[in-house]
Amino acid sequence: DVKVTQSSRYLVKRTGEKVFLECVQDMDHENMFWYRQDPGLGLRLIYFSYDVKMKEKGDIPEGYSVSREKKERFSLILESASTNQTSMYLCASSLHRVEGYTFGSGTRLTVV
Amino acid sequence: SQKIEQNSEALNIQEGKTATLTCNYTNYSPAYLQWYRQDPGRGPVFLLLIRENEKEKRKERLKVTFDTTLKQSLFHITASQPADSATYLCALYNAGNMLTFGGGTRLMVKP
Repeated sequence: DVKVTQSSRYLVKRTGEKVFLECVQDMDHENMFWYRQDPGLGLRLIYFSYDVKMKEKGDIPEGYSVSREKKERFSLILESASTNQTSMYLCASSLHRVEGYTFGSGTRLTVV
Repeated sequence: SQKIEQNSEALNIQEGKTATLTCNYTNYSPAYLQWYRQDPGRGPVFLLLIRENEKEKRKERLKVTFDTTLKQSLFHITASQPADSATYLCALYNAGNMLTFGGGTRLMVKP
C-alpha cells in the first residue's frame, strides 16, 4: 500500500513564525497535493505539484509556499504564520492525474 | 466556480438498511467523480471513481451512480453496519483538472 507520511500530527506555533509541514510518499507518485480542511468549508486545495521542482497554485495559495526538491517529498511552508492558518493540513499523492488520491493522516496546526 | 453540494445534516440509519448519500454539482460537467470516506481526525480514504460514461459502478457493498443530466451522484451502502459510520466526501475535477471536494455528509449507522 502507498503510504503518505506527514511529519507531525499536532503542531503549535506562534504568530509570525515560519512553519514547515513535511510530507513524504513511498510509491514514486508523480503528483502531490496540499489541502487544508476547516469545519463548514471542507477541503480546499492550497498547492499541488505534478513533477519535481514544479508547483501550481490551488484555490487558496495566499500566505503559503511549497517546495518539491525530490519526487517523494512535498513541503508546505507558512512564511509568517497567522491565527487564520490554524487548521487541519492534509497531504495527498497520486500516480496519475485522474485517479484516487492517497492522503496522509493530517497535521493539526494551531497558531497562537 | 464549481460548487459541490452534499447534505450537511447527518444521515442516521438502522443497521442492515441501505444508506444513500447525495452529491449535486453546478457550473461544470466533470468527466470523473470520486467518493472518499473520512473518519474523525484522519485523512480521507479513496473509495470509488466513476467516469461520466459509466452511469453506475459497484465495489462490494458500495454502489455509485453518476447522472450528468441531473448533475448528481448517488452513493449507496447496502446492508450497512455500524463500522460504516463516517463522513463521506464527494469530489470532482474542475476545469483546471484540480480535485474539488464537497463538504461531506456524516453517516451514523445504529445497531
